[in-house]
Amino acid sequence: EPEVTQTPSHQVTQMGQEVILRCVPISNHLYFYWYRQILGQKVEFLVSFYNNEISEKSEIFDDQFSVERPDGSNFTLKIRSTKLEDSAMYFCASRGGGGAKNIQYFGAGTRLSVL
Amino acid sequence: DQQVKQNSPSLSVQEGRISILNCDYTNSMFDYFLWYKKYPAEGPTFLISISSIKDKNEDGRFTVFLNKSAKHLSLHIVPSQPGDSAVYFCAASAGNNDMRFGAGTRLTVKP
Repeated sequence: EPEVTQTPSHQVTQMGQEVILRCVPISNHLYFYWYRQILGQKVEFLVSFYNNEISEKSEIFDDQFSVERPDGSNFTLKIRSTKLEDSAMYFCASRGGGGAKNIQYFGAGTRLSVL
Repeated sequence: DQQVKQNSPSLSVQEGRISILNCDYTNSMFDYFLWYKKYPAEGPTFLISISSIKDKNEDGRFTVFLNKSAKHLSLHIVPSQPGDSAVYFCAASAGNNDMRFGAGTRLTVKP
């Protein structure tokens, strides 16, 4: 069964460093997402991406964040200068076309630890 | 952003009994509702959904009920099994806008 894959599973970084979280969505999917979950809190929407541009972003997704689909398979989330409060699980998701009624499929997540 | 609320952070039930997980929403524009299940160290996995034109959708042991006037939905699992122990997230979307999640309810099914 096709799945969304995320690498690395755990990323440790120093405060102020740049990190890139990587995702390979399901191959025929058109919409891509990043979410995060701070330990013990809810899953929060960060950004959605369609047709090579951001279609929606939340208040969390400030200038420190960027997303890119550098080739036909990868979808990346970059955090330019990490802060302690960026420590969280980051989930990538993708879905096919047909409107928001299509199910989003999630990867297993990357745990980001900012020290 | 509190558009989707799951007010019970945890629920414990005995194996074989019914589990009822609740979700409330505030945005009357939401027209599609989903439940996701999440095990530790894994991403959320889709469980069941319901469109706003229905009030019930059933899939095996899982049934979702929607009460639009109360802006409330619930997930019933019967009979509950120990393997159902997970965090359950309610999510909702409006038109072509994307999902918003609740905070989750941790279900523990005791053998």
